[in-house]
Amino acid sequence: QSALTQPASVSGSPGQSITISCTGTSSDVGGYNYVSWYQQHPGKAPKLMIYDVSNRPSGVSDRFSGSKSGNTASLTISGLQAEDEADYYCSSYTGSSTQVFGTGTKVTVL
Amino acid sequence: QVQLVQSGAEVKKSGSSVKVSCKASGGTFSSFAINWVRQAPGQGLEWMGGIMGMFRTTTYAQRLQGRVTITADEFMTTSEMELNSLRSEDTAVYYCARGLGYHLNQGFDNWGQGTLVTVSS
Repeated sequence: QSALTQPASVSGSPGQSITISCTGTSSDVGGYNYVSWYQQHPGKAPKLMIYDVSNRPSGVSDRFSGSKSGNTASLTISGLQAEDEADYYCSSYTGSSTQVFGTGTKVTVL
Repeated sequence: QVQLVQSGAEVKKSGSSVKVSCKASGGTFSSFAINWVRQAPGQGLEWMGGIMGMFRTTTYAQRLQGRVTITADEFMTTSEMELNSLRSEDTAVYYCARGLGYHLNQGFDNWGQGTLVTVSS
């Protein structure tokens, strides 16, 4: 199972909105509504930000939103803040009780 | 809130095996899946496999099949991940992570602190 494709880096100024894409195939992203997004700060464990394509866990800011179209899922961060600077990973169910992560995107707040 | 507490760092020789444990402090994970994820230095996340708490069914990433074994104790309070035939490229931080439900299809909402495994020749 190949890793899902994400842009290596995305940047934006404080207050702006950015979108991170996560491209897979019809066997993973396109085939199931089980896409999740994680935020990881250096030296820390990942944190779940979005699950089941567009659901936010309790406690996650509503500045984070998720969507999916075809084989591509997206994470949008609106009102970008300095604390949003981190690595972001998508993941998707691939069937047969397996999952795959994306390649990861480094978000820089300018 | 159940905390996942992992065992300490390990240094292993190439060709040997390592076992990392993940204990649910303050509860069990019988109604959830436990996944194992690793991250090599400076690299991305890699899903290794998981165990569905309710049925104790395990599934592994294809590229690790045959080298990795994930288990859970009788009371579903501790999961262990054993990786055999270690190579230098297995040097990574290993995480356990609880799934949102008992199936291995959803996201991971509760993560252990990570265990660094270093493989040397």
